[in-house]
Amino acid sequence: NAGVTQTPKFRVLKTGQSMTLLCAQDMNHEYMYWYRQDPGMGLRLIHYSVGEGTTAKGEVPDGYNVSRLKKQNFLLGLESAAPSQTSVYFCASQSHGYYEQYFGPGTRLTVT
Amino acid sequence: GQQVMQIPQYQHVQEGEDFTTYCNSSTTLSNIQWYKQRPGGHPVFLIQLVKSGEVKKQKRLTFQFGEAKKNSSLHITATQTTDVGTYFCAASGGSNYKLTFGKGTLLTVNP
Repeated sequence: NAGVTQTPKFRVLKTGQSMTLLCAQDMNHEYMYWYRQDPGMGLRLIHYSVGEGTTAKGEVPDGYNVSRLKKQNFLLGLESAAPSQTSVYFCASQSHGYYEQYFGPGTRLTVT
Repeated sequence: GQQVMQIPQYQHVQEGEDFTTYCNSSTTLSNIQWYKQRPGGHPVFLIQLVKSGEVKKQKRLTFQFGEAKKNSSLHITATQTTDVGTYFCAASGGSNYKLTFGKGTLLTVNP
């Protein structure tokens, strides 16, 4: 039981490049989330999903897109990376009817 | 949207001293959660409070939810070096699946 996993762990991008971050969970959770964490800013919600095939915008969605084609996977895409997207990205999942969110280990992204 | 203010931003203590972090909201919260993030790690769920005036304990940690459900606190008695990390409160307003996190309190402990 791996819990929540994230791929990759680290990535360096040049401005304008694109990439996809993959989150996978093996707990059969309905809800999944993408957060970004910046120094002094806490965790800010980018996008979330309440079920397979559904996504919704969070607090800071601009510049990101997401997809949830399978229940266990939640993908975060950056179409044209900008230095302001340098951050640590965390994926989390949650079971319906429960409040606890389970976080992945994070992806550290640097955009130069 | 839902906002939670957390203070202090940083706290440095000597090992054995107590520590408290506070979380405040201008609106009534349906529940509040606390998470701990070790340096270089990911947030880990500690506890959830739901009822007005609720107090829960986990060994040296005491969690409180205010009577008006607009504030909460986490108190650590006799800190240890293993308590080092950032403590976040997180609140959900109406839904039970979307959280708003406070900015966190970074605790450092001098041995």
